Amino acid sequence: AQKVTQAQTEISVVEKEDVTLDCVYETRDTTYYLFWYKQPPSGELVFLIRRNSFDEQNEISGRYSWNFQKSTSSFNFTITASQVVDSAVYFCALSGSNDYKLSFGAGTTVTVRA
Amino acid sequence: EAQVTQNPRYLITVTGKKLTVTCSQNMNHEYMSWYRQDPGLGLRQIYYSMNVEVTDKGDVPEGYKVSRKEKRNFPLILESPSPNQTSLYFCASSLGFPDTQYFGPGTRLTVL
Repeated sequence: AQKVTQAQTEISVVEKEDVTLDCVYETRDTTYYLFWYKQPPSGELVFLIRRNSFDEQNEISGRYSWNFQKSTSSFNFTITASQVVDSAVYFCALSGSNDYKLSFGAGTTVTVRA
Repeated sequence: EAQVTQNPRYLITVTGKKLTVTCSQNMNHEYMSWYRQDPGLGLRQIYYSMNVEVTDKGDVPEGYKVSRKEKRNFPLILESPSPNQTSLYFCASSLGFPDTQYFGPGTRLTVL
C-alpha cells in the first residue's frame, strides 16, 4: 500500500517570506512517481510537477523549487518570496508501478498575508 | 481547448435518489479516474479506467458505479446516495498511467 503524509495542516506567512511544504511518502515499489498539485480558492486542481524515482535532481521553476530525497522518502516543496497569489491548498501525490492508483496526501493550506 | 468537463457543477439531492455525474475529456486520453475530496482527507480515488470497458476500484468504491463505454466519457453513478457521500468530486484523465492527470473543475454534491 502507498501512503503520502503531509504533516503540516496549515501554514501562514507574510508576503515575501519563504515557505517549505513537507511531503513524506511510503511505497514498496522501486519505480514510482511523485506529484505536486495546487488548489487555489477557486477550487480547480493545477498540476505543478511530476518526478520519477530515478531522478533525484532538485528542480527549480521560477519561485518554486522541489527537493527530492529518496534516503528520507521525502519530496518537499519550497515557495521563495511568497506572494498572496500563492495562497492555496497544496497536495503531494504518489503513484507506484504495480497498480494504477494515485494516492494523495491530506494537503497543506498555505495562507500568504499581505 | 484541451479540457476535462464535469456536469453538473453543483447538485443537491435527497437520500436514495439515483444520480449520475458526467465526465468528458477531449484529449483522447486512455486513463480516467474519479476522486472525492473531503476536509482533512485530501483526495481519495473512487474508480479508475485504463481504457474502454476496463475499470477497477480505487480506495473508496463503496456506493459508486462507473462505466466506460466510450473513450471520452466516464460517468460516475450513485444508485442510492447517502449523506456520507456529500463531497467534492473530481474527474481526471491522463494519456496513460502514470502520466500526469489533468482534473475537471469539480462537482459539489450534497445529499440530504
